[in-house]
Amino acid sequence: DQQVKQNSPSLSVQEGRISILNCDYTNSMFDYFLWYKKYPAEGPTFLISISSIKDKNEDGRFTVFLNKSAKHLSLHIVPSQPGDSAVYFCAASAWGSNDMRFGAGTRLTVKP
Amino acid sequence: GAGVSQSPSNKVTEKGKDVELRCDPISGHTALYWYRQSLGQGLEFLIYFQGNSAPDKSGLPSDRFSAERTGGSVSTLTIQRTQQEDSAVYLCASSFPDWGETQYFGPGTRLLVL
Repeated sequence: DQQVKQNSPSLSVQEGRISILNCDYTNSMFDYFLWYKKYPAEGPTFLISISSIKDKNEDGRFTVFLNKSAKHLSLHIVPSQPGDSAVYFCAASAWGSNDMRFGAGTRLTVKP
Repeated sequence: GAGVSQSPSNKVTEKGKDVELRCDPISGHTALYWYRQSLGQGLEFLIYFQGNSAPDKSGLPSDRFSAERTGGSVSTLTIQRTQQEDSAVYLCASSFPDWGETQYFGPGTRLLVL
């Protein structure tokens, strides 16, 4: 069962504009969420996280928003840069669980 | 090295053969995870090791899959009697043991079963 869903397999934006990547989850026990970025032939690297006690976390050009009532989170990248082109995975876990669930990923392409 | 390493980087095998995949975690990381990424799928949790505790094997898809972690460091994922549906990228990650700690991923092993 897909408890974490990224419904857009790909997204293309122009350099300098905002990129918005979306993620939905179904398990109400999830209380910690992460975004990972993956370049081809490399493992995912941690980007930003948010716990359920917050609704926003910002780190430089990256901001993650969490809407618990909608079971939805999003990653905003502004301004987008060509080097941001990668696959972005959303992940979620519940307190004390080893089982971190990942979405299928969204391939972001930022055009110069 | 400073990061998680995995070997081999690529493995091509014939259906029915056994394969072993190796993971060297970051020194000091007592938690180690194995994941699988099949084409078009998200990362699928396989197994988790934490120190000397019994591993969490709840994600292993069948009894053909097993994993060991010797001395609390290096881990080996073994797939017996490989099937074509086992073809995927197998990723290892390590972290400090506390819940919520960021996981650091290796580059993965790309397995192709012919």
